[in-house]
Amino acid sequence: GQNIDQPTEMTATEGAIVQINCTYQTSGFNGLFWYQQHAGEAPTFLSYNVLDGLEEKGRFSSFLSRSKGYSYLLLKELQMKDSASYLCAVMDSNYQLIWGAGTKLIIKP
Amino acid sequence: DGGITQSPKYLFRKEGQNVTLSCEQNLNHDAMYWYRQDPGQGLRLIYYSQIVNDFQKGDIAEGYSVSREKKESFPLTVTSAQKNPTAFYLCASSIVPGQGGETQYFGPGTRLLVL
Repeated sequence: GQNIDQPTEMTATEGAIVQINCTYQTSGFNGLFWYQQHAGEAPTFLSYNVLDGLEEKGRFSSFLSRSKGYSYLLLKELQMKDSASYLCAVMDSNYQLIWGAGTKLIIKP
Repeated sequence: DGGITQSPKYLFRKEGQNVTLSCEQNLNHDAMYWYRQDPGQGLRLIYYSQIVNDFQKGDIAEGYSVSREKKESFPLTVTSAQKNPTAFYLCASSIVPGQGGETQYFGPGTRLLVL
């Protein structure tokens, strides 16, 4: 079966760095997406990785290793507004998105 | 501004009642999707459409129906056959997958509650 695993919850301190991991087993691979979702709101797109390596976008970076079925989202200089759930999703061989359950990130002052 | 709109924001359903959730996009996207989100679970695909007048079932289509009469619109009907409809419903759109850059963009969602 297809499976996306990510931690349920993480806590970090304002101004610090946090890494949210995602491992996947899917039927084929056509890219990995990270979304941010604030409570009660819709997911918003953060990043897309289809090749191995690190993609940097401001305070957020995303890494992919296809051979290991592994990705992480790195958030630097954490701000209180970064408190949200972070969703990992993989596009399979049928171009369907398979979603993880999300990681709830709590930022403490 | 281009985007996706969903209405209503909250919807209450009585037992045995069909309700329809609206989704409209002006991003000129060919593909549209309906997902259901329950606490502690990943998004689950209900239906998707890649072209007008055509749509396919997702993983949890039972108890739901859709139509795609216009490129901009993809309404979802939650029928009385759906026994556990309470959830957050999300509509998304993208370019047709397989062309690269098929990021899905989401509307604000509709929260459906059963009375």
